Amino acid sequence: DTGVSQDPRHKITKRGQNVTFRCDPISEHNRLYWYRQTLGQGPEFLTYFQNEAQLEKSRLLSDRFSAERPKGSFSTLEIQRTEQGDSAMYLCASSLGVRGELEPQHFGDGTRLSIL
Amino acid sequence: LAKTTQPISMDSYEGQEVNITCSHNNIATNDYITWYQQFPSQGPRFIIQGYKTKVTNEVASLFIPADRKSSTLSLPRVSLSDTAVYYCLVATLSSNTGKLIFGQGTTLQVKP
Repeated sequence: DTGVSQDPRHKITKRGQNVTFRCDPISEHNRLYWYRQTLGQGPEFLTYFQNEAQLEKSRLLSDRFSAERPKGSFSTLEIQRTEQGDSAMYLCASSLGVRGELEPQHFGDGTRLSIL
Repeated sequence: LAKTTQPISMDSYEGQEVNITCSHNNIATNDYITWYQQFPSQGPRFIIQGYKTKVTNEVASLFIPADRKSSTLSLPRVSLSDTAVYYCLVATLSSNTGKLIFGQGTTLQVKP
């Protein structure tokens, strides 16, 4: 399977715990995105990487959230001191960053986070 | 980014052609119209993208009038497996990030 892979698919944790999600993009894609989706809503942009550089962060990404993409390959999204409102599906997407082209984003199937 | 408006839900029957129209009145010169499909518990999947006139691929057609203030996604002869949420997005070619701004989408229910 050469698509975007996310791990774990489901995470259940108690309020106040830290959680970390992993995303493995399509290997030749230099752009990587994180989105968050709650029930009945479309995905909301969280953050964007061009290779290893984090170039944009949404205001939705509070200081409890941190994302990394070491060496421009896989990415991790960590949430510290989780709150009930963090319960959502966290989606990762990747795309080619070709100048002058609008490349489609390829999404993984997400990590569903449930906060007890 | 230009805001889009599309119906919240639509019903259809197997074998029918389905047309989902999206309004984007303040679309800019550098904006493209992009459609994604999403099944429950899966990430969105790219369907089709266009700038003007008509674009067709193996799964859908996209019709864009000359003023580009709206677009119509056409799904020929839908089946039960086309039941999904369909998102119309306007994406800017000149954007430094290429991030996507999703609305609520149109939930298409295909009935037997």
